[in-house]
Amino acid sequence: QSVLTQPPSVSGAPGQTVTISCTGSASDVGSVYDVHWYQQLPGAAPKMVIYDTNRRPSGVPDRFSASKSGTSASLVITGLQAEDEADYFCQASDSSRGASKVFGGGTRLTVL
Amino acid sequence: QLQLQESGPGLVKPAETLSLSCSVSHDSLRRSEHYWAWIRQPPGRGLEWIASIYKSGSDYYNPSLQSRVTISVDRSKNEFSLKVKSVTAADAALYYCARHKTNFFYGDGFDIWGQGTMVSVSS
Repeated sequence: QSVLTQPPSVSGAPGQTVTISCTGSASDVGSVYDVHWYQQLPGAAPKMVIYDTNRRPSGVPDRFSASKSGTSASLVITGLQAEDEADYFCQASDSSRGASKVFGGGTRLTVL
Repeated sequence: QLQLQESGPGLVKPAETLSLSCSVSHDSLRRSEHYWAWIRQPPGRGLEWIASIYKSGSDYYNPSLQSRVTISVDRSKNEFSLKVKSVTAADAALYYCARHKTNFFYGDGFDIWGQGTMVSVSS
């Protein structure tokens, strides 16, 4: 049972926009700490695609964006491409447990 | 380019202690200001943070695992390690080592990951 809640799956056609939600509590997503997002391609290690709630690491396309409001965060992928098909995980820190790291259960993105 | 490489036994018996190592290339644990972590992923499931450590040896643990795990750093070998005692089938997972992007207490994420090492638990 993951601490943060994500939908098990989302899907979209090439070129469309999808949103992946991540719901937590006041002590994690709703805290002063940032939310981070990871993409995990089949058989590969996770890769950071968003850090500090809404910043993209070098090399990540600007089709990826994210935000946070209250106890929920969202990852938005515009102009879907086949290469975006992967699992996506959100991650936060728990202010009630000394900044312990917590993850969402992951969302499988299928590009139709 | 920083690289992390996990190593482990592959198979461990129930009730035994699991020992894993993460070798760091193209960076120095002695000089780095980053924190370092272990994260695991049971087959077909999500990610779980296990523990983090700083070069000084200051360590931080997932409260749900704290009683069974120990993270350590060996600056002379440029590697950090994880021990999990009294393993059960629930500890079977792909174990990743990773680098914190900045500082554990800043609520940061993990910007560099190893490829992972699979651990099975069976007698």
